[in-house]
Amino acid sequence: TQLLEQSPQFLSIQEGENLTVYCNSSSVFSSLQWYRQEPGEGPVLLVTVVTGGEVKKLKRLTFQFGDARKDSSLHITAAQPGDTGLYLCAGILTQGGSEKLVFGKGMKLTVNP
Amino acid sequence: NAGVMQNPRHLVRRRGQEARLRCSPMKGHSHVYWYRQLPEEGLKFMVYLQKENIIDESGMPKERFSAEFPKEGPSILRIQQVVRGDSAAYFCASSPGWGNQPQHFGDGTRLSIL
Repeated sequence: TQLLEQSPQFLSIQEGENLTVYCNSSSVFSSLQWYRQEPGEGPVLLVTVVTGGEVKKLKRLTFQFGDARKDSSLHITAAQPGDTGLYLCAGILTQGGSEKLVFGKGMKLTVNP
Repeated sequence: NAGVMQNPRHLVRRRGQEARLRCSPMKGHSHVYWYRQLPEEGLKFMVYLQKENIIDESGMPKERFSAEFPKEGPSILRIQQVVRGDSAAYFCASSPGWGNQPQHFGDGTRLSIL
């Protein structure tokens, strides 16, 4: 069972276009993180959202956390070839004295020049 | 480089052999997590350790897999009697503590089973 569903799973666009990737769950998370992963490397943290309804901006990237803290979105404005990569959302799951990340399957983005 | 260090980056083993994957956390981090990533999949949690303690191993297969984080030295993920299905990228992450702390990832070990 996939706790976090990401959509779309694949996206190929032209340089300059905008895009939005969604991360949805039926579970409530204490916080949600977005990572970007390039081939042969580990995920790199982009942002952590904690408060329901929170919006964070990182240059051309805008992250939003749903009011109920079950979903999130990442919007990229004017995509560039350097944005190509795998975008992963991950929720922090806290239970029974443990804390771990639950990942979605990711959205593989290709930005063509 | 003060980041999370994993070695080896690539490991090839034959079926039935043992694989040992090492992870040195970031300086000052005492919490270590191991995740496995299959092709076209997200990362799946395996185990969460603090120094000398296993906190949560709910994602670890019941047999052949073990993990440790000794008082001195790196964390080790050990896979005994490897099978083809163990082929994957194994990532280690570390954090300074509990409570929504960001986890910083290493670049992983790519395990291939012949």
